Amino acid sequence: QQQVKQSPQSLIVQKGGISIINCAYENTAFDYFPWYQQFPGKGPALLIAIRPDVSEKKEGRFTISFNKSAKQFSLHIMDSQPGDSATYFCAAKREYGNKLVFGAGTILRVKS
Amino acid sequence: DTEVTQTPKHLVMGMTNKKSLKCEQHMGHRAMYWYKQKAKKPPELMFVYSYEKLSINESVPSRFSPECPNSSLLNLHLHALQPEDSALYLCASSQSVAGGTEAFFGQGTRLTVV
Repeated sequence: QQQVKQSPQSLIVQKGGISIINCAYENTAFDYFPWYQQFPGKGPALLIAIRPDVSEKKEGRFTISFNKSAKQFSLHIMDSQPGDSATYFCAAKREYGNKLVFGAGTILRVKS
Repeated sequence: DTEVTQTPKHLVMGMTNKKSLKCEQHMGHRAMYWYKQKAKKPPELMFVYSYEKLSINESVPSRFSPECPNSSLLNLHLHALQPEDSALYLCASSQSVAGGTEAFFGQGTRLTVV
């Protein structure tokens, strides 16, 4: 059962453009939503995370938008750079759970 | 120090070998995890340790045996693996298993079973 659906599977963006990756979840018990960035041959690195009591969180060029009623959240990368080319995973976790449920991943390529 | 250190970085083993993967963190985290990641797939949870006790085993075959000797160390003992077990094995830690706590991942061990 895929509890977190992520789209698109891959994304090509021009340098300076906006990259948008979307995720939808089913379990209303989830209340922690992190995004991870993974470069080839490396482990995932936490990029930014949000709790459902806020609708948006921004850290530098990275913004999470959260829509609790629609059970959707998205990652926006502003002014995308070639160095942002990586695989991005959204994830979700219950407040008292110990399982991080990952989306399928999005391969982002930023063209210079 | 927000580092999770995994050794070795690469491992090639035969199907009759016994080997161990090691993971170490010094962030005072009380939850530690093993994940398996196949190419172009998300990490899949294998085991969760909370306060040095195994709290989750995601129906992992017994040829994988986890061990948590203390709060800073996590091992994964491997025995009689199959070629399909070849993958990136990731260790992670978090302050606790409660939600809202960041999970930090190591760089992984690239395992090849021949």
